[in-house]
Amino acid sequence: DAGITQSPRHKVTETGTPVTLRCHQTENHRYMYWYRQDPGHGLRLIHYSYGVKDTDKGEVSDGYSVSRSKTEDFLLTLESATSSQTSVYFCAIREYETQYFGPGTRLLVL
Amino acid sequence: AQSVTQPDIHITVSEGASLELRCNYSYGATPYLFWYVQSPGQGLQLLLKYFSGDTLVQGIKGFEAEFKRSQSSFNLRKPSVHWSDAAEYFCAVGTTSGGSYIPTFGRGTSLIVHP
Repeated sequence: DAGITQSPRHKVTETGTPVTLRCHQTENHRYMYWYRQDPGHGLRLIHYSYGVKDTDKGEVSDGYSVSRSKTEDFLLTLESATSSQTSVYFCAIREYETQYFGPGTRLLVL
Repeated sequence: AQSVTQPDIHITVSEGASLELRCNYSYGATPYLFWYVQSPGQGLQLLLKYFSGDTLVQGIKGFEAEFKRSQSSFNLRKPSVHWSDAAEYFCAVGTTSGGSYIPTFGRGTSLIVHP
């Protein structure tokens, strides 16, 4: 158990509203990642962070922003949610060269 | 850029039969290699990993994987499948790009186990 929690675990929202997902870790890992998982696509990287205030884009970053103001928290914001952002979102940390994942957030955008 | 291919979207086996899930990667050097398992509604759990050394690695739940450099493959095996092994399996490759560590995942193989 890498001490990763995600909140909320489930969320239903409406198109056009902003949504923020939180990833929290307890073990001071430098790298944190946000992925989305969709059927047939596996896991696709949205954004990642390599330290406080240090973030970069992944392959599917359009429509998403992130912030990391302290080591333990990595926030993912959907600036104006769309139905195409309905997905399961996973946070991960890197410990040495291995990733460990949180339990996921299931997001439905109506 | 690196890529990971899991050629089988679904695999069906009978309980007690042997299992092999295929994974091929594209990368210039030997990357870090991983297999994860995801049960329905759950997060991803690490099964095993290969960094260097012995090319046959043992993991949890009775799984093993073999790294074959000449084939750029890292196939997952289990000699006797249990019904509880029904899940989604992901192969992943860890590489460094521009100074950042960015793992890449295959699209997954769904394992169905018949009684």
